[in-house]
Order: sequence, then structure tokens, then C-alpha cells
Amino acid sequence: DIVMTQSPDSLAVSLGERATINCKSSQSVLYSSNNKNHLGWYQQKPGQPPKLLIYWASTRESGVPDRFSGSGSGTDFTLTISSLQAEDVAVYYCHQYYSLPYTFGQGTRLDIK
Amino acid sequence: EVQLLESGGGLVQPGGSPRLSCAASGFPFSNYAMSWVRQAPGKGLEWVSAISGSGDSTYYADSVKGRFTISRDNSKNTLFLQMNSLRAEDSAVYYCAKCGGGSCYHAFDYWGQGTLVTVSS
Repeated sequence: DIVMTQSPDSLAVSLGERATINCKSSQSVLYSSNNKNHLGWYQQKPGQPPKLLIYWASTRESGVPDRFSGSGSGTDFTLTISSLQAEDVAVYYCHQYYSLPYTFGQGTRLDIK
Repeated sequence: EVQLLESGGGLVQPGGSPRLSCAASGFPFSNYAMSWVRQAPGKGLEWVSAISGSGDSTYYADSVKGRFTISRDNSKNTLFLQMNSLRAEDSAVYYCAKCGGGSCYHAFDYWGQGTLVTVSS
């Protein structure tokens, strides 16, 4: 199984500042046949289901604000929120869909400092 | 608008066999693979099972293999999860999730609100 490890487990950032969440996979999730990283990022607010933010590691889902961006390739990935807004308080998860069983990171809790 | 509505959760005794349903609308259901993902109270996300658009191919996490069965009725736009031999560790919110393509080698682009299954005597 591919193990997804996020860091940090939690962080607090001031409004308007940058937030960075890292995700490392235990093996590469770059699929050679399509040259895409099978990596997604989700946001989950309390009492709500997860919401897809980023897929193929760096493609923003329709309707997601452009302050959210994804980067990385192979085994190391980053979700960046360029200017934190109050509504961004949530738990964020990375997810590999490269191979079965699909796995998620343990989650990163983001709060306002 | 894509909508996924789960049902069938509740309090179940250990060893019980509930069946979860997920009614889908707003997209060509048979064109997309679907998954079940669960989340134990206060914990992270765990993928449980997936099924191809046609229903011919099914996949399971080791933790549920042999106990859970995923299926779909494309004529009724409904996804199912038959759960057998339930254990306390199966207690979780179960989410129905739409895969972004004909297989689940895509991100999960829509999620239902979830249905809570509590296994307890």
C-alpha cells in the first residue's frame, strides 16, 4: 500500500498570510503512460463531506478560489493557500489514486492564528 | 447539479448486515465509477470500495474484503454497499463518492453528505 504522510499535523496562520501543507507518498504516484501525478487535495469543514480542491496534483477544480494551488511531482507534493481567509479553516487531506488501495494522508488541521 | 444522497445507516448490532444506498442525480451515472469512503468519529478518511461504471469490476480495502459487497443499479442511478459481519471498528460515517472518470484512477469529485453507521450492542 502507498502510505501518504502529511506535514504538519496542524498549523495556525494569520489572516492574509500564506499556508503551506506538505504530502509525501511512500512511492511515486506519477503514472508514466499519461505523465500525470495521481494526487488530489480535499478540504473538509466540520460536519461536512470532503470537497475536492486540486486533482492531478496541480489542477484546480472548477469554482475553487485561485488562492489555492497545488505543486509537486513523484513523491513530494504541496498545497498552498496564498492568502488565508477565515473560511479556509478546515482539515485538508491528500489522496493518491495511483494504485489500489487508494489512500489518504492523515489530515492537516488549519486554524487562524 | 450533481447530487449524491446516502441512506441506510443507523445503530447496528455486532454481526449485523445493513445495506447502504446512494441515490445519484445530475450526471450520466453509468459513465462513472463510484466509491465508498468512510470516516470514523474524529478520524481521517479511509477508502472502502469502488465499482466501475458498468458494475463489472469491483475493488475492496483489505479491512472489508469478504464482508462488504459493492454493487450498482444503473437503471435506478443507485449505488449500494452490503455490509455483513459488522464489527465495532466499522463504525463510521460512510460517504458515497463519484470518481472523476470511468475508473477511480481519478480524484473523487463529488461526495454525498454521508450516513452514520454505529456498531454497538
